[in-house]
Amino acid sequence: EADIYQTPRYLVIGTGKKITLECSQTMGHDKMYWYQQDPGMELHLIHYSYGVNSTEKGDLSSESTVSRIRTEHFPLTLESARPSHTSQYLCASSGGLAGGPAYNEQFFGPGTRLTVL
Amino acid sequence: KNQVEQSPQSLIILEGKNCTLQCNYTVSPFSNLRWYKQDTGRGPVSLTIMTFSENTKSNGRYTATLDADTKQSSLHITASQLSDSASYICVVSDRGSTLGRLYFGRGTQLTVWP
Repeated sequence: EADIYQTPRYLVIGTGKKITLECSQTMGHDKMYWYQQDPGMELHLIHYSYGVNSTEKGDLSSESTVSRIRTEHFPLTLESARPSHTSQYLCASSGGLAGGPAYNEQFFGPGTRLTVL
Repeated sequence: KNQVEQSPQSLIILEGKNCTLQCNYTVSPFSNLRWYKQDTGRGPVSLTIMTFSENTKSNGRYTATLDADTKQSSLHITASQLSDSASYICVVSDRGSTLGRLYFGRGTQLTVWP
């Protein structure tokens, strides 16, 4: 089992609230990712980070923001939640020796199921 | 356009039976292909990973195959168990970027009945 954690696991909030989804990993991985997944659909990359102080937007446009102040921590923030943000959010990390079999293999957290009313 | 297509979309089998899931991809340049298992409400967990030179890899009752020429992969599950009920996702990585860009299929939802 990968050492990557997400909190909360489930969150139900009202429209307009500010929320932060937490993601932490203890594997010392340099790269971290946030994905959004709707039921029966593929994962869509919304943010990624190569390392501390590095953040980039992914393929799917998202109103969320991320920060990477520490290697192990990659929180995602929504300043004003809306019903369209209702989804499952998955955090992942990757690392390992360049060229090795585990390099770029992504390990996923358990996910946060967000419902915005 | 880089894509990963999986079939069938869903599958129901009886406990103890075998099944095979399919994955076709158009990702180029190809780096590796992974099969993940995702239980409901959980994150995906890697089952197998195959590079260009590998055509078969097993992990217990799971056996994955890869045909890099036709860009097809399959995941065969032997003697299915109730705990195999999950979504199985085919993920292909390209080697065109340092990020190791992943392309995800929509998954095959497998249900094993007693």
